[in-house]
Amino acid sequence: SYVLTQPPSVSVAPGQTARITCGGNNIGSKSVHWYQQKPGQAPVLVVYDDSDRPSGIPERFSGSNSGNTATLTISRVEAGDEADYYCQVWDSSSDLNWVFGGGTKLTVL
Amino acid sequence: QVQLQESGPGLVKPSQTLSLTCTVSGGSISSGSYYWSWIRQPAGKGLEWIGRIYTSGSTNYNPSLKSRVTISVDTSKNQFSLKLSSVTAADTAVYYCARAIVVVPAASGWFDPWGQGTLVTVSS
Repeated sequence: SYVLTQPPSVSVAPGQTARITCGGNNIGSKSVHWYQQKPGQAPVLVVYDDSDRPSGIPERFSGSNSGNTATLTISRVEAGDEADYYCQVWDSSSDLNWVFGGGTKLTVL
Repeated sequence: QVQLQESGPGLVKPSQTLSLTCTVSGGSISSGSYYWSWIRQPAGKGLEWIGRIYTSGSTNYNPSLKSRVTISVDTSKNQFSLKLSSVTAADTAVYYCARAIVVVPAASGWFDPWGQGTLVTVSS
């Protein structure tokens, strides 16, 4: 089955830019989706189809996808952005259709 | 907007069957081309997709759980359900229900929205 690899943790100072990567074999050929999960809460979709934002998600959240790496970029990071972030793809070629990355803990210093 | 809410026992004994229900409000479970899914998350760990059902009744399950999982839908009650048999401590997790949006021509699918989640503990 398809495997998505994320760094366990990323740290960034307030006001700076955070980049969270999601690696996978030729992931650029797939659509990547990103979720934010704060402690004790359900995941929330923040980016879908590589770079689209659902309504209500700040423009500070953006995404890109090329080659073997997809990236979630959070600009002007705020303390409230501290959370776990998960990437996810839909793999129509296997029985395990919905695949998640292992998650990245974003710490705001 | 559509909201989902999980319900069911918070404690299940080993070897028994875990049963959860997800109630959909703010819209009909039969409208639109959505898949209704279950996802779980053990404490301190990542997300694991369990399976999904379409309102036609067609299902698809995670191969690692397939032999123990059944997902069903009751359109009259706007609900879908999860049954996981022969549970062990390894099945202890927060269980989420979620609506899956799939765009087949684009080979794309994502989850939105999610329920708040319910903790199920497997213990005697």
